[in-house]
Amino acid sequence: KQEVTQIPAALSVPEGENLVLNCSFTDSAIYNLQWFRQDPGKGLTSLLLIQSSQREQTSGRLNASLDKSSGRSTLYIAASQPGDSATYLCVVLGSWGKLQFGAGTQVVVTP
Amino acid sequence: DGGITQSPKYLFRKEGQNVTLSCEQNLNHDAMYWYRQDPGQGLRLIYYSQIVNDFQKGDIAEGYSVSREKKESFPLTVTSAQKNPTAFYLCASSMLGGDSQGYTFGSGTRLTVV
Repeated sequence: KQEVTQIPAALSVPEGENLVLNCSFTDSAIYNLQWFRQDPGKGLTSLLLIQSSQREQTSGRLNASLDKSSGRSTLYIAASQPGDSATYLCVVLGSWGKLQFGAGTQVVVTP
Repeated sequence: DGGITQSPKYLFRKEGQNVTLSCEQNLNHDAMYWYRQDPGQGLRLIYYSQIVNDFQKGDIAEGYSVSREKKESFPLTVTSAQKNPTAFYLCASSMLGGDSQGYTFGSGTRLTVV
């Protein structure tokens, strides 16, 4: 059974620092991995999607890497801003066609 | 712009009532999903549908029902048999398999039993 773990569970940084969020998964037979952001009481907003054949994806200040062999993905957010405060979810689509969610990393960026 | 629309945003249910949550997408996605999120917990799959007029139970289907009469719509009914329905409900959609475009989520419906 696929298990997705996100570390740390919570993170607080001052504005301007870079954020590093980690995601690990136990079964490397995945189709893709998607990073989402969730604000309190809101739905999930897709940030980056990495296909199983890719090593990384970038969008603006965000960069996500994928190492299937070691079962890891890392989301980097450069020069954090208070507006980056949210919960970040790592979601894996396994070859069996089912999504597996991490529990999330709650991020607070202080001005 | 294409996306998923969930309504209502907030819903209140009395004990013993059935309520229906709406989910509509204009992304031409084949598959649609319903998830439940409880405070401090991850998302749990209730039901999913890959084609019209067909749907499958997820991990926590008891007390819920769905229909898929149109590709664009996947309403969820929370029945009186669901003993603890207070939660945040999220609808999602994807192309079949989800291996190229990933998943798109709606903005959610918060259901409260009063």
